Amino acid sequence: ILNVEQSPQSLHVQEGDSTNFTCSFPSSNFYALHWYRWETAKSPEALFVMTLNGDEKKKGRISATLNTKEGYSYLYIKGSQPEDSATYLCALTRGNEKLTFGTGTRLTIIP
Amino acid sequence: DGGITQSPKYLFRKEGQNVTLSCEQNLNHDAMYWYRQDPGQGLRLIYYSQIVNDFQKGDIAEGYSVSREKKESFPLTVTSAQKNPTAFYLCASSFYSEAFFGQGTRLTVV
Repeated sequence: ILNVEQSPQSLHVQEGDSTNFTCSFPSSNFYALHWYRWETAKSPEALFVMTLNGDEKKKGRISATLNTKEGYSYLYIKGSQPEDSATYLCALTRGNEKLTFGTGTRLTIIP
Repeated sequence: DGGITQSPKYLFRKEGQNVTLSCEQNLNHDAMYWYRQDPGQGLRLIYYSQIVNDFQKGDIAEGYSVSREKKESFPLTVTSAQKNPTAFYLCASSFYSEAFFGQGTRLTVV
């Protein structure tokens, strides 16, 4: 079993504060690291796909970094808003294209 | 519109009955996946298929079966051998680095 780990498991953040969480993965045979945002009763929504060591991606107030050598990625949310409340999933693709998901970080924004 | 369709959205079955969850995609993707989510847990891989007529067990395949007779379809059967079938089931398909998901099926076994 391939271990893709996310921490923390859950997080409560005050509206307006910034936050970040981690995805750790085995660095061998790396192909791509994906971040998804998953709201209850909806399909997961793709945020970023990163393939190169040192990649940084940004989408509005959300950004992500990637370190393939040490096997981790950070997701940052700046100035959290209530609509940011969701589960954030990372997923690893290795050479055989199989997507393996982490357990997710459940983010709750407190108004 | 291209996408993935899972049906039904909610499903109730009696204990001991087999049940089949549907997943259809018109994205022309080779790879398709079935995941299961339980409360407080992430997505766990049940089965995946990278090409028609071929599929591989994921991390929690016991009690499940799949088929991939057509590129567009990847149905999942939850058999009576699955000890805790009540869960949320999510189907996905991917092409290289991009994955798309269905809306999910919530299965309740009573």
